[in-house]
Amino acid sequence: DVKVTQSSRYLVKRTGEKVFLECVQDMDHENMFWYRQDPGLGLRLIYFSYDVKMKEKGDIPEGYSVSREKKERFSLILESASTNQTSMYLCASSPNMGTGRNQPQHFGDGTRLSIL
Amino acid sequence: AQKVTQAQTEISVVEKEDVTLDCVYETRDTTYYLFWYKQPPSGELVFLIRRNSFDEQNEISGRYSWNFQKSTSSFNFTITASQVVDSAVYFCALTSGNTPLVFGKGTRLSVIA
Repeated sequence: DVKVTQSSRYLVKRTGEKVFLECVQDMDHENMFWYRQDPGLGLRLIYFSYDVKMKEKGDIPEGYSVSREKKERFSLILESASTNQTSMYLCASSPNMGTGRNQPQHFGDGTRLSIL
Repeated sequence: AQKVTQAQTEISVVEKEDVTLDCVYETRDTTYYLFWYKQPPSGELVFLIRRNSFDEQNEISGRYSWNFQKSTSSFNFTITASQVVDSAVYFCALTSGNTPLVFGKGTRLSVIA
């Protein structure tokens, strides 16, 4: 079974802090994704990566950055945390198959981040 | 642009009732893939099914069934004889295969004993 592990289930940080959310997958997947989930808004894509050292902006990248130095690890960074970044953060990974990226994404348990 | 609409925000049913969750999608691609995910209270999204645009055959898996109709751009999900364990948020999603998944906003299903 694919395992996507997020470093923390719950996290509390202060405004202005630099926050790191870590995600590791154990199935050698090429693609990794970071989403945030807010009530009434569903899942919104922050950043994604199709390969090591590659990153692309999703729908709401402002205030965030990412790092993918190794294939299995995809980190989300809040450069200077603000209260409007309080949310549930979900990491996902998926494999390439042939020439397409149409395989199901596998999700971690999520990190519930509170910024005070 | 691709879009997924789940018009039902919340649904409540009594145990053993059948329930259908609606999903309507928009895409200009001729090849695309549709997904359903379940998010129980624990938080992790669980993959349920993937369908490609060339396969309109309906699928049944135990109490779950999916009705894919290209003519109405819909991919509806029916739970037969619902159980309390079916209580969750359900997401429908779409990709062409070269773009990230686009998710609907989800439908929260509550099954009452």
